[in-house]
Amino acid sequence: GENVEQHPSTLSVQEGDSAVIKCTYSDSASNYFPWYKQELGKRPQLIIDIRSNVGEKKDQRIAVTLNKTAKHFSLHITETQPEDSAVYFCAASINQGAQKLVFGQGTRLTINP
Amino acid sequence: ETGVTQSPTHLIKTRGQQVTLRCSSQSGHNTVSWYQQALGQGPQFIFQYYREEENGRGNFPPRFSGLQFPNYSSELNVNALLLGDSALYLCASSLAGTYSNQPQHFGDGTRLSIL
Repeated sequence: GENVEQHPSTLSVQEGDSAVIKCTYSDSASNYFPWYKQELGKRPQLIIDIRSNVGEKKDQRIAVTLNKTAKHFSLHITETQPEDSAVYFCAASINQGAQKLVFGQGTRLTINP
Repeated sequence: ETGVTQSPTHLIKTRGQQVTLRCSSQSGHNTVSWYQQALGQGPQFIFQYYREEENGRGNFPPRFSGLQFPNYSSELNVNALLLGDSALYLCASSLAGTYSNQPQHFGDGTRLSIL
C-alpha cells in the first residue's frame, strides 16, 4: 500500500524567513496531495492541496510543488509569522473508490520572533 | 455553512468496554471518513462511508465498525476496547462526485482514553 515519508520532523525558522517541508510517496497511482495544519488541541485544517495534473499551486504565502517522476511534493511557506507555528501533515490519496488519505508523520514548525 | 461536528469531545472507558462516537458531516457533504490519530502521529484511515455503506477500510480489525445515516451523519463503534485504542478519533467529511478526491474537512475529534 501507499507509504508517505515526511521530513524534517521538527523545523525552527526566524520570523520572516521561509520554511520548506518535504514529503515522498511510494505509489505512483496517487493523484491527490493535501496539506493540513494542526494547532495544539485543534482539528487538522486543510491549507492547500494539489492534484497530479498540476506541478505547482500557490495561495498567498503558501505554495505546494509536485514532482511526479520523483514522487515527492513540498510545502513552501514564505514570510513566516508566529501564527504559522503548528504541526503540518502531508497526505497522499489514490482514487480507488474510497478516498483514503495516507498521512506523513508530521512536521512541528516553530517560528521564532 | 455548518462544519463537521463530533461528540463527545472526551471519553474515558475501561478495557473490554464498547464505545460509540458520533459525527455530523459538513452541510452539503455526503461522505464521511474516520481516522485514528495516536499522540505525535499522523491520522490513520479507519474506514469511509458513502450512501450508507462502507466503501473502503484501512488496517483495522472488525471490532471497529460504523454506520452512516440518511442525513449523512455517522457513528464509529469500537468493541472490546484495548489500551492501544487510546487516541484522538477524527471524522472528516467530503463531497463524493464524478471528480473524485474532493477535499476532506475534519472535525475537532473525540479524545478516547482507555484505563
